[in-house]
Amino acid sequence: GAVVSQHPSRVICKSGTSVKIECRSLDFQATTMFWYRQFPKQSLMLMATSNEGSKATYEQGVEKDKFLINHASLTLSTLTVTSAHPEDSSFYICSARGPSGTSPLHFGNGTRLTVT
Amino acid sequence: AQSVTQPDIHITVSEGASLELRCNYSYGATPYLFWYVQSPGQGLQLLLKYFSGDTLVQGIKGFEAEFKRSQSSFNLRKPSVHWSDAAEYFCAVGAREYGNKLVFGAGTILRVKS
Repeated sequence: GAVVSQHPSRVICKSGTSVKIECRSLDFQATTMFWYRQFPKQSLMLMATSNEGSKATYEQGVEKDKFLINHASLTLSTLTVTSAHPEDSSFYICSARGPSGTSPLHFGNGTRLTVT
Repeated sequence: AQSVTQPDIHITVSEGASLELRCNYSYGATPYLFWYVQSPGQGLQLLLKYFSGDTLVQGIKGFEAEFKRSQSSFNLRKPSVHWSDAAEYFCAVGAREYGNKLVFGAGTILRVKS
C-alpha cells in the first residue's frame, strides 16, 4: 500500500517554456505532499510543502513564482516549473505522508528535468 | 538547527559481508528516524522507521537499525550484503514539533564487490 506515482519520469524542454510534474497518491489520501529537489550526488532539499486546498509553504530561497505548486485534491499535487532555465535542470521528487500524522513519507520515482 | 550527518560518502563491502551505515543527528525535539534507499535515477524507498518503543527496528530486505539516544545515532545494519543492495542510502529525521518535515543526510553510496 501507500503508493505514490509521479509523472513524467523524464522531460526535456527548451529554455523559457514551462513544465508540469504530477504527483499522485494512488491508494490513500494525502492532505500534505512535499516537493524535493536533488542535485547530482547530493541529498534531497525540501522545496515546498503542498497542502490540499491551501497555498503551499515554500522553503527559504525557493522562488514561489518560478515553482508553482497546486494541491487541488487529496490525491494530486502538481509542480510547474515556469520559464525554465538550464539551471533548473535537476531531479525533482515528490512525497506524500501516509494516513496518519506520523506516517513515513512515501516517495514517487522522481522526474529528471533537462532544460536545453 | 536540525541536522543529519552521514559521515561516510562511499562504502565498499564484499558480497556476504556485514554492513553498517552510520547516521548521527542533531535535533531539538524527539525525533522520528528513517532510512531510505535510492537506486540510480529512481525515487526513494523506505527501508525502516523508528517512532518510539523498541530501539531496534527491523526493516525490509533484511535491514535493521538501532536508535541510540545517548549517541544521537541511528545506524543501519545488515548481516550479509547482497550485490543487489548496491545503491545510495539516506538517513532522515523529522519531528512533530517541526511540522513533520524531514531533514535528510547527504547519503552514503554503497558499492558491493563480488
